[in-house]
This record gives sequence, C-alpha cells and structure tokens, in this order.
Amino acid sequence: QKEVEQNSGPLSVPEGAIASLNCTYSDRGSQSFFWYRQYSGKSPELIMSIYSNGDKEDGRFTAQLNKASQYVSLLIRDSQPSDSATYLCAVATISGNTPLVFGKGTRLSVIA
Amino acid sequence: NAGVMQNPRHLVRRRGQEARLRCSPVKGHSHVYWYRQLPEEGLKFMVYLQKENIIDESGMPKERFSAEFPKEGPSILRIQQVVRGDSAAYFCASSLDREISPLHFGNGTRLTVT
Repeated sequence: QKEVEQNSGPLSVPEGAIASLNCTYSDRGSQSFFWYRQYSGKSPELIMSIYSNGDKEDGRFTAQLNKASQYVSLLIRDSQPSDSATYLCAVATISGNTPLVFGKGTRLSVIA
Repeated sequence: NAGVMQNPRHLVRRRGQEARLRCSPVKGHSHVYWYRQLPEEGLKFMVYLQKENIIDESGMPKERFSAEFPKEGPSILRIQQVVRGDSAAYFCASSLDREISPLHFGNGTRLTVT
C-alpha cells in the first residue's frame, strides 16, 4: 500500500515568516513529487514539482527532496495571508499506469 | 487553451437516484483520472482511463460506480443508487501521455445526496 503522510495541522505562522510543510512517503520506487495548494471549496492547483534530490526554488517557494529518507518538504518564504490554504503532497512512480497518491494535506494559516 | 472542464459544478440527488459527472480533458489529452475528496480529507484515486479503456480502477467501489471515456465525447463517472456517503467533491484530471506528468485538475463536481 503506497502511503503519503502529512501533518494535518493547522500550521500557524505570522505574516512574513517561513512556513515549512513536510511529507513522507512509503514507496521507495517513487520518482515524481508534487505540491498542490487547495483553497477551501476550490480545486487543487499545482505549485511545485520536483524529481531529483536537493532543492528547487520558484519564487517564494522551495521544494526539498531527500529520496534516501523518503522525505519531501515545501518552504514558503515571506508568508502572506493569501498563502493560507491546504497544501497537498502528491507522489508517483514513473511506471506507466501509476496514478498520483495524495497525502491528506496540511492546513496552513498565515496570521496578519 | 481550455483546461479540464467538469460539469455540473454542483449536483444534488436524492438517495437512490443516479448521478452522472462529466469531464472534458484538455484538448489532445487521452488520459483521464478521477479522484474523490471527502470533507477534510485528501484526494483519493478512483479510476484511470485512456480513450475507450479502463487502465486502473483499483480505487473505485465495486458496486454502483462506473466510468467510461468514449472515443468521442467526455469521460463520464456514473454513480447508481446514490447514498449519503457518496456526497463529496469529485475531481477529474487529464494528461497527455501515460507517463506521469503533473496533473492539472478541473474545478470539480460537488455532489450532495439528500
């Protein structure tokens, strides 16, 4: 059973701080890792993808991947109230038919 | 470029009725995925279809649920004899080829069973 685990939160950070969101996964064969943001009542929106160990930066977002530890994280710098949402970690193996497996998400609240 | 289109956005059904949810993938995409999301829960994979074929339905309940993706027209997720526990948001995503690329989701259909 492939599993993706996230702390459900809520994670509260003050405006301007760094928010750190963590995710672990069980399938060592996983090759692709994604972070989605979902506002309440809306559809998930892809914000980051990462495929190799290390850091990947895109604006205020940094994804970090450590395949040996089966761990992927998302850092949000200079957090804004508009970042308040649920962040979903998703994992896949590149093996043709494998669908994305999602964690339950971490609810982030940025306090102004 | 239109993204993944789902309709209806909201669907209300009484217990025992049928629900039909439609998904039109991004133009040119031949792979469709359906996910279900219960309140305060993550996205649960239901079924993966390629044109005219079901590739993986391991996440779909064996009874009352079916899915199709015909050669022409949208993908349909059909739920027969709905029960209150079917109330959820149902999201569809599509991709260009069989390798996993980032999935982009439609706006979802929110099914309420009364």
